[in-house]
Amino acid sequence: DVQLTQSPSFLSASIGDRVTITCRASQGVRIYLIWYQLKAGKAPKLLIYGASTLQSGVPLRFSGSGSGTEFTLTISSLQPEDSATYYCQQISEYPVTFGGGTKVEIK
Amino acid sequence: EVQLVESGGYLVQPGGSLKLSCAASGFTFSNYWMNWVRQAPGKGLEWVANIKYDGSAKNYVDSVKGRFTISRDNAKNSLYLQMNSLRAEDTAVYYCARDEDHSNSRFDCWGQGTLVTVSS
Repeated sequence: DVQLTQSPSFLSASIGDRVTITCRASQGVRIYLIWYQLKAGKAPKLLIYGASTLQSGVPLRFSGSGSGTEFTLTISSLQPEDSATYYCQQISEYPVTFGGGTKVEIK
Repeated sequence: EVQLVESGGYLVQPGGSLKLSCAASGFTFSNYWMNWVRQAPGKGLEWVANIKYDGSAKNYVDSVKGRFTISRDNAKNSLYLQMNSLRAEDTAVYYCARDEDHSNSRFDCWGQGTLVTVSS
């Protein structure tokens, strides 16, 4: 199975900060890497697919990059509503797997 | 509006069975692959299973193979997960999720989830 390791597992940042989350895959997943945002009591939200394609309706402050085994999710200017847990997911091969999550807190 | 609504979560004893349902609306259900994803308390997301738009192909995570069965009824716009031989480690919120484009998969629509608790 493809293991996805996210770092950091927790981060605390201020409004307006640039935030970067890393997702490393145990083997190459090409660009089949997806990012989701999860808030308590709400349905998960698709942010980025194909490693770097922004899902329709997602604010432009979110961006993704990478290929192969190393990927990043960047929030260019952190907003209060971005407080959430972020997960990467690979769909390059079965079983589909997720990273362990990164909890983002607003200072 | 695209909507997925899960139901059927309950408290069940170890070794018991449960069938989850997911009602879809606002889109042509029969055109999409569908998935079940779960989140155990305090844990991350775990993909459980998926099913092709016509039901002809199914895939499962190893931990549920032989115990869980995914199915769908396109006439009823519904997705199901039959869960047998339940274990404590199956305790989780179960989400159904639509795969927007299986050639470049991403889960673009999720339900709110239904809680399954396996405990004596």
